[in-house]
Amino acid sequence: AQSVTQLGSHVSVSEGALVLLRCNYSSSVPPYLFWYVQYPNQGLQLLLKYTTGATLVKGINGFEAEFKKSETSFHLTKPSAHMSDAAEYFCAVSSSGSARQLTFGSGTQLTVLP
Amino acid sequence: EPEVTQTPSHQVTQMGQEVILRCVPISNHLYFYWYRQILGQKVEFLVSFYNNEISEKSEIFDDQFSVERPDGSNFTLKIRSTKLEDSAMYFCASTPLVNTEAFFGQGTRLTVV
Repeated sequence: AQSVTQLGSHVSVSEGALVLLRCNYSSSVPPYLFWYVQYPNQGLQLLLKYTTGATLVKGINGFEAEFKKSETSFHLTKPSAHMSDAAEYFCAVSSSGSARQLTFGSGTQLTVLP
Repeated sequence: EPEVTQTPSHQVTQMGQEVILRCVPISNHLYFYWYRQILGQKVEFLVSFYNNEISEKSEIFDDQFSVERPDGSNFTLKIRSTKLEDSAMYFCASTPLVNTEAFFGQGTRLTVV
């Protein structure tokens, strides 16, 4: 069984401030981990993914995430928020990387304040 | 850049009516999926489809639901007799191989009244 918990359904940051969106997972096997972003009226877009290898993963739009097995976490960060980062962010886990086994978190709505 | 497209973006239907949600996956992809997100809840897996048959389905995907790839480009989700609790955002996704990340469409918001 696998599950994902995203702490904070809403996060607000000022433009230029650090973005930190939290994700903790549980999985009975080594996980594949994903962050998706959903802009208003658009689909889910893959930001980044961790499968194996380097635990610090860089994605699009300056985002990165670090897989920490000891903490069962995969938090998403960006050093400096931009207004265009306002969106909903979903963390997801899969036991195999297969889309048919994706389990999503409940999402975090990011608001960027001017 | 190729993308998954879904139509319509929003559909309102009366309880008990049949509804068909349409998706055009990326053209060289072989695996197709439907997910749904009830308002305020998590995105949930419904069904996966490969080689013209269902390869996996969740407990949500009961006899009221069916999927079809009628013409080699479209991938449809049919709900036979809609219930109020079917109101949700439905996402279609596709992948070229089984263990690769999914490309999602923009979703169809279904409202059952």
